[in-house]
Amino acid sequence: DGGITQSPKYLFRKEGQNVTLSCEQNLNHDAMYWYRQDPGQGLRLIYYSQIVNDFQKGDIAEGYSVSREKKESFPLTVTSAQKNPTAFYLCASSIGQGRRGETQYFGPGTRLLVL
Amino acid sequence: SQQGEEDPQALSIQEGENATMNCSYKTSINNLQWYRQNSGRGLVHLILIRSNEREKHSGRLRVTLDTSKKSSSLLITASRAADTASYFCATDERGGADGLTFGKGTHLIIQP
Repeated sequence: DGGITQSPKYLFRKEGQNVTLSCEQNLNHDAMYWYRQDPGQGLRLIYYSQIVNDFQKGDIAEGYSVSREKKESFPLTVTSAQKNPTAFYLCASSIGQGRRGETQYFGPGTRLLVL
Repeated sequence: SQQGEEDPQALSIQEGENATMNCSYKTSINNLQWYRQNSGRGLVHLILIRSNEREKHSGRLRVTLDTSKKSSSLLITASRAADTASYFCATDERGGADGLTFGKGTHLIIQP
């Protein structure tokens, strides 16, 4: 059963706390992406990675960090520096290898709420 | 930044009617894609149209692309209640495998 999974479904963050969102894929895709979605809005790119041990900032990377130690995994950490973290976070993957405009496959999302 | 813009922002129609939504973008593209998002869920890919194509069909979906006007339309024929969702267009304006640029979406409501 191939696909992309995200956990947890809901995550609560206290002030000043770092939290990590998990994203795993078994599609053997090279490229992975993190997007943020605010209510009634489209998706904004946070970070992306085309290959293991390499990643690039997207449009709104401030206050976030990522790692890509394994092809299957691309965790996103929301740091205390992100002052407005409440949002719906979506992870996606694509075949990658530098191909432009590929179809992306999305996980079910994680909703992050601040206590 | 968001380059694609969908129009209208929201659309409510009766079941069985056709739904049309539009997307505009700003720079040259290799292809344009449409995705659907059910409430609180991830996005699902619907259809991809390449820059050298003008029209593409998939089931009840029909997509057109006008590169001279930098616009695309998505037509859903014979709508069903299950079509209620938000629809997003996405382009490869960034280039390479650097991610897609999404619009803000059209929220479609199908009234039974």
